Amino acid sequence: DAKTTQPPSMDCAEGRAANLPCNHSTISGNEYVYWYRQIHSQGPQYIIHGLKNNETNEMASLIITEDRKSSTLILPHATLRDTAVYYCIVRVNYGGSQGNLIFGKGTKLSVKP
Amino acid sequence: SQTIHQWPATLVQPVGSPLSLECTVEGTSNPNLYWYRQAAGRGLQLLFYSVGIGQISSEVPQNLSASRPQDRQFILSSKKLLLSDSGFYLCAWRKPGQANTEAFFGQGTRLTVV
Repeated sequence: DAKTTQPPSMDCAEGRAANLPCNHSTISGNEYVYWYRQIHSQGPQYIIHGLKNNETNEMASLIITEDRKSSTLILPHATLRDTAVYYCIVRVNYGGSQGNLIFGKGTKLSVKP
Repeated sequence: SQTIHQWPATLVQPVGSPLSLECTVEGTSNPNLYWYRQAAGRGLQLLFYSVGIGQISSEVPQNLSASRPQDRQFILSSKKLLLSDSGFYLCAWRKPGQANTEAFFGQGTRLTVV
């Protein structure tokens, strides 16, 4: 599996953009980059995913570098409710694993007033 | 729309007692089903996944087992709990057969073994 590397923690001021980086230098050509977040004591919530092109939805934007070795999740206007652990995952998709999501330790984002 | 139910929300069990956690999915057929565990202060660890009734794959050796008696029902069990089985257990589902679909998680069961 491709591994991901994320900073363990980040702070962001409320109303500002939160930019969460992720390195995945061993990613394969057919592997997607997924982002999830987990608010304390809840199940993870899907945010966004992409393969090559940048993606945007109502929650966030995903910027993937041209060589696909890293990506950045952007929350354009962070709120206190965005405080959570954010996981960057490169999706395993081979053999019998059926594309299982393998979580790392993520980045704990703290949005401060 | 699809929903996932997981219960109970919290559970306190003595060491050596049995365990049964249940997860059901509504609104979809033949989902891929997953059990994850999150120990205190750690990331999510994939325990089991299933691609169909009676088909269970284990990702890590442990004191737990899983079963899928019905298409949309996934059960996590143990005959004798250990202290190290404490954690936050999450069930998830995903549409099968597609390379880029997201997984949807339940709200989790917080298990404390005492």
